[in-house]
Amino acid sequence: SQTIHQWPATLVQPVGSPLSLECTVEGTSNPNLYWYRQAAGRGLQLLFYSVGIGQISSEVPQNLSASRPQDRQFILSSKKLLLSDSGFYLCAWSTGHQPQHFGDGTRLSIL
Amino acid sequence: RKEVEQDPGPFNVPEGATVAFNCTYSNSASQSFFWYRQDCRKEPKLLMSVYSSGNEDGRFTAQLNRASQYISLLIRDSKLSDSATYLCVVIYNSGGYQKVTFGIGTKLQVIP
Repeated sequence: SQTIHQWPATLVQPVGSPLSLECTVEGTSNPNLYWYRQAAGRGLQLLFYSVGIGQISSEVPQNLSASRPQDRQFILSSKKLLLSDSGFYLCAWSTGHQPQHFGDGTRLSIL
Repeated sequence: RKEVEQDPGPFNVPEGATVAFNCTYSNSASQSFFWYRQDCRKEPKLLMSVYSSGNEDGRFTAQLNRASQYISLLIRDSKLSDSATYLCVVIYNSGGYQKVTFGIGTKLQVIP
């Protein structure tokens, strides 16, 4: 069966520090991968999606970036975090027209 | 107009009540539809798929109305454990890739 792992579960970072969130999927090949952010009291905002290794599309301009170094690995990064980067970050995977499945999420607080 | 619109609620209903949520979408070429449930401070989890012919799973019924471009979720005999936020999801192909859009979610609170 397919599983998705996302870590860390919670993270507290100072403004201006770098960020690296990792997501891995097991049990499937060539999945579509997604990074979302959910701010407090708001809906899910798609940040990045990837249809294959090295293929990243960005939905919104921001100071975050994403990379897919391996088929089942998706990384969200930032060189310098802003206060507005606080939120609940979710990684998800899907194949074809099947629904997405989410990781447990990372709760990021910027101080 | 937003691609996917939902009433954020909250919907406060007593135990045992029947409650229905709607979600409208703007792109008539949308192909796949789903309902997710999200508990507080947790990730969204797939609840059920939505088809024009309807989809029933126990107390939950989902329906797609393509002509009016909305999907619905009906919950019968509400339980306290149904309290959560319900997100609708609409998927369509755009430029060779899938575009997945989530609604903002409708908050349901079932009251004893």
